Amino acid sequence: SQQGEEDPQALSIQEGENATMNCSYKTSINNLQWYRQNSGRGLVHLILIRSNEREKHSGRLRVTLDTSKKSSSLLITASRAADTASYFCATYRGSTLGRLYFGRGTQLTVWP
Amino acid sequence: DAGITQSPRHKVTETGTPVTLRCHQTENHRYMYWYRQDPGHGLRLIHYSYGVKDTDKGEVSDGYSVSRSKTEDFLLTLESATSSQTSVYFCAISDQGIGNYGYTFGSGTRLTVV
Repeated sequence: SQQGEEDPQALSIQEGENATMNCSYKTSINNLQWYRQNSGRGLVHLILIRSNEREKHSGRLRVTLDTSKKSSSLLITASRAADTASYFCATYRGSTLGRLYFGRGTQLTVWP
Repeated sequence: DAGITQSPRHKVTETGTPVTLRCHQTENHRYMYWYRQDPGHGLRLIHYSYGVKDTDKGEVSDGYSVSRSKTEDFLLTLESATSSQTSVYFCAISDQGIGNYGYTFGSGTRLTVV
């Protein structure tokens, strides 16, 4: 079963606005990762945050992690039409085999 | 995606026939994974491999088998295809296998079982 659950399922905004997506999970994790999927393509790794980190930045991306609430958020600032994609969170529980558990994703649409 | 290719990209097959999907990597990564993606379910792990001839089941492995006879190739076989196996299949690779680095995904295989 899925480990993460993204919220909202779909998000529609105008270019220049910020987009915030949330992910909740159920069990203890070692790290949490965010991926982007453009239509008809494979997933692309965006950013990883470890369980002992609270916030991480990468370009226009900001990720937060609250292990007490078992939740994470992905903020995309100054969105562009090219950010239109599905975004997935994935959790790693700490096994030696690197298994990730993915959520169902948030579909982000950015209108020009 | 660079370093990982899936074949075929699209396939239509009939119910009851065996089907093999191929994942080929040039990164020499030890860990390889097969996921399926369905609307409303996200990505679900079918099988994974942690070395040549070392494989294990994921959460939705029934009706699927895998083989890895060399580092670069990971094959997924649907033993007798059913309509419920209509899906998009993704292969992913990982270097460390300890989850501290992201996966690299292939572009996927869209399989339709009629």
